Amino acid sequence: AQSVTQPDIHITVSEGASLELRCNYSYGATPYLFWYVQSPGQGLQLLLKYFSGDTLVQGIKGFEAEFKRSQSSFNLRKPSVHWSDAAEYFCAVGALGAGNMLTFGGGTRLMVKP
Amino acid sequence: DTGVSQDPRHKITKRGQNVTFRCDPISEHNRLYWYRQTLGQGPEFLTYFQNEAQLEKSRLLSDRFSAERPKGSFSTLEIQRTEQGDSAMYLCASSLAGTGGYQPQHFGDGTRLSIL
Repeated sequence: AQSVTQPDIHITVSEGASLELRCNYSYGATPYLFWYVQSPGQGLQLLLKYFSGDTLVQGIKGFEAEFKRSQSSFNLRKPSVHWSDAAEYFCAVGALGAGNMLTFGGGTRLMVKP
Repeated sequence: DTGVSQDPRHKITKRGQNVTFRCDPISEHNRLYWYRQTLGQGPEFLTYFQNEAQLEKSRLLSDRFSAERPKGSFSTLEIQRTEQGDSAMYLCASSLAGTGGYQPQHFGDGTRLSIL
């Protein structure tokens, strides 16, 4: 069965600073990987996805993520954080064939200092 | 852009009562998913439909929970005899199912259930 670990429960960065959120996955085949963002009381918005090909993927709102098979990681990055980026971020792995159900990590809450 | 719509947004009820939530997926999406998210956790898969057929159910879905998608469009999730532990955000998502590989899921804003 697949699993996702997000080691950092909370991260605080200053506005304008760079950001990296960690994600490690466990999956027996080629993973389908996602990052979603959730603002308080809201649903999940898809930031970016990795299916195959180029291991550096670009997403919305200036985010990017790099797939590293050797490390089973899919870390999310942003070069300069804005105050509006404060939210909860979830990494997920999808299992092709099992209804494409998603398995999520526990999330990382990002706080942005002015 | 008509996204996934969930109703109600919030539901407060007393323990032991029955509750029903509704999800309207993106119109051309034939797959519909329900997830549950407790405070401070990531969403957990409950069940999914392809058209009107319920194809997978998680062990989290006890016999007090039932989901339907009668005409392959909107779906309802009912919880009977609610318990304190049912307090959570219930998220609905939809996607296409096709031969083109994995299709991303699009989420609604959820229904937050609070059990008194």
